[in-house]
Amino acid sequence: DAKTTQPNSMESNEEEPVHLPCNHSTISGTDYIHWYRQLPSQGPEYVIHGLTSNVNNRMASLAIAEDRKSSTLILHRATLRDAAVYYCILRKGAQKLVFGQGTRLTINP
Amino acid sequence: GAVVSQHPSWVICKSGTSVKIECRSLDFQATTMFWYRQFPKQSLMLMATSNEGSKATYEQGVEKDKFLINHASLTLSTLTVTSAHPEDSSFYICSARDVDTEAFFGQGTRLTVV
Repeated sequence: DAKTTQPNSMESNEEEPVHLPCNHSTISGTDYIHWYRQLPSQGPEYVIHGLTSNVNNRMASLAIAEDRKSSTLILHRATLRDAAVYYCILRKGAQKLVFGQGTRLTINP
Repeated sequence: GAVVSQHPSWVICKSGTSVKIECRSLDFQATTMFWYRQFPKQSLMLMATSNEGSKATYEQGVEKDKFLINHASLTLSTLTVTSAHPEDSSFYICSARDVDTEAFFGQGTRLTVV
C-alpha cells in the first residue's frame, strides 16, 4: 500500500487559512487521496477527496500537485472547531481505509 | 453526509464478560462495514472488514474468536468482545459504506473493562 507522510502537529490562529501538507511519493495512478479528521473522543469525519484535479467543498479545498506526489488540505478560515487530527489516506476504489498518524491541528484563539 | 450510529457510546464491564457494540447505517445501505480500535494518543487500527451476509475478514493479529463480527443486514453490524479483559479497554469505531461511496464513521464506543 502506498504510504503518506504528514507533519505530527501544526498550529494556526483563528480566522486564518491553514494549509495541511501530505506527501505520497509512491502513489499509484488509481489511488484516490482522501482526507478525514477526528475531533476529540469522536469517530473520524469525511472532509474531502480527489484524484487529479483540485477539489472544493463547503468544508475545505484539496490542492493536488501535478505529479500527484503531494497534496495540501486547505481550511480557508480556521475556527476553534477545526482543532482535530487530520488524516491523509490513499485508497484504491472500494478498498479499506488505513489510517496513519495524521497531523494534530491546534487553533489558537 | 450519511449517518452512522453506534451504540452504546460507552460501556463498563467486568473482566470475563462479553460486550456487544452495534453499528447502524441510518440513511443508506452499508454493503461493507469496518471495525477499528483506537488506543489513547494513537491512530485508528483496522480490526476487520465485513460484507453483508458474509463472514468478516480480520486483519493480521486480530483474534476472530475474541472479536465476533456479525453483518446480517444492510444496515446493522455488531461487534462482540468476548471474555473481555482490561487490555481490551479501548475506543471502538465502526465505519460503513455503500458501493462507490465514501466511508462514514460512527461516533465510537469507549469500552472500559474492570
